[in-house]
Amino acid sequence: GENVEQHPSTLSVQEGDSAVIKCTYSDSASNYFPWYKQELGKRPQLIIDIRSNVGEKKDQRIAVTLNKTAKHFSLHITETQPEDSAVYFCAARDTSGTYKYIFGTGTRLKVLA
Amino acid sequence: NAGVTQTPKFQVLKTGQSMTLQCAQDMNHNSMYWYRQDPGMGLRLIYYSASEGTTDKGEVPNGYNVSRLNKREFSLRLESAAPSQTSVYFCASSERGRLAGAGEQYFGPGTRLTVT
Repeated sequence: GENVEQHPSTLSVQEGDSAVIKCTYSDSASNYFPWYKQELGKRPQLIIDIRSNVGEKKDQRIAVTLNKTAKHFSLHITETQPEDSAVYFCAARDTSGTYKYIFGTGTRLKVLA
Repeated sequence: NAGVTQTPKFQVLKTGQSMTLQCAQDMNHNSMYWYRQDPGMGLRLIYYSASEGTTDKGEVPNGYNVSRLNKREFSLRLESAAPSQTSVYFCASSERGRLAGAGEQYFGPGTRLTVT
């Protein structure tokens, strides 16, 4: 079945450094790739997304890149701040008509002050 | 505009009891979803409804049933709760199709369920 692999599972960076989280998906028909941030005890919140007709998208300190040939996409956070500490999930949306989302297992990011 | 709402926020059940988790969205979305999230884990899809009148199993449907009551509401029922169903349950909704904005999935605040 469809699968999304996410790495690393935990990531610690110094404040001000960059963080990169990578995901690989199996369904070549996937066409929508969102990233969610989940703070402790809260709901997942969409922070950025990318569609398959775009290779890169940026929103201030956050960017996402997509390589459809290799079936992987990455989240880049620059100039990290302590409030970036959270769990980040990637996902890929099925395009077979079911519109279901396959989530990665999450990355716990810690930004050290 | 409340987005996605869920009730209750917290619930404690004894093994074998039943309950229904309620979810409603006011964004006129076609698709709705139920996920469970175990401590330190990712989101696993229980059931989803691609559109009003349809429901389909996700990754972990055993022990659950769902009802898409209308376009706004999607409920999740545990007929006979088991300790393995202790989890946080999130409802979500999204728009279908290829319209601008389609695909963004919005989550409710979650229901923390403990089965003893």
